Amino acid sequence: DIQMTQSPSSLSASVGDRVTITCRASQGINNFLAWYQQKPGKVPKLLIYTASTLQSGVPSRFSGSGSGTDFTLTISSLQPEDVATYYCQKYNSAPFTFGPGTKVDIK
Amino acid sequence: QVQLVQSGAEVKKPGASVNVSCKASGYTFTSHYMHWVRQAPGQGLEWMGIINPTDGSTSYAQRFQGRIAMTRDRSTSIVYMELSSLRSEDTAVYYCARRMGPTGFDYWGQGTLVTVSS
Repeated sequence: DIQMTQSPSSLSASVGDRVTITCRASQGINNFLAWYQQKPGKVPKLLIYTASTLQSGVPSRFSGSGSGTDFTLTISSLQPEDVATYYCQKYNSAPFTFGPGTKVDIK
Repeated sequence: QVQLVQSGAEVKKPGASVNVSCKASGYTFTSHYMHWVRQAPGQGLEWMGIINPTDGSTSYAQRFQGRIAMTRDRSTSIVYMELSSLRSEDTAVYYCARRMGPTGFDYWGQGTLVTVSS
């Protein structure tokens, strides 16, 4: 099975900072890569799919890039409401594995 | 509007089974595959399996093979996830989630807490 890794596992940044989270697949996944945001006690929310397509209603400060095995989620200007754990997920084929998550908080 | 409404919290003893339901509304039930994902306390998201609501075909994560079953009722637009031989490590919030075409999981149920305790 393809394994998904994320780095860093956690980060602390100031409001307005640019934040970058990396996700790596152990094999190519044809850009079937999604990013989710999960706030404490809440249901995960789809942010980005096919590696770089912004889900409807998601603020434009979120962006995704990458292809093949290496992907990036960027928050261009961190806001207090972005405090959450972010997960990547491969969904080209089963198993639809999630990365271990990156916890983002405000410094 | 699309809604996935799950059944309520459950408390089970080790060795028992649990059946969690997920009622879909606001879209054509057979148009989208349904997945199950779980999250143990303080842990990440774990994909469990997928069901095709059209024909009931399934695919499960290897670690659950033999003790998981996903079914659906097309007449009521409900999918079910049964997990058997429960152990304390199965204590988690269980989510159903819809995948729409090339996107990821765009709608999620509210989650069902399953607690396994003697």
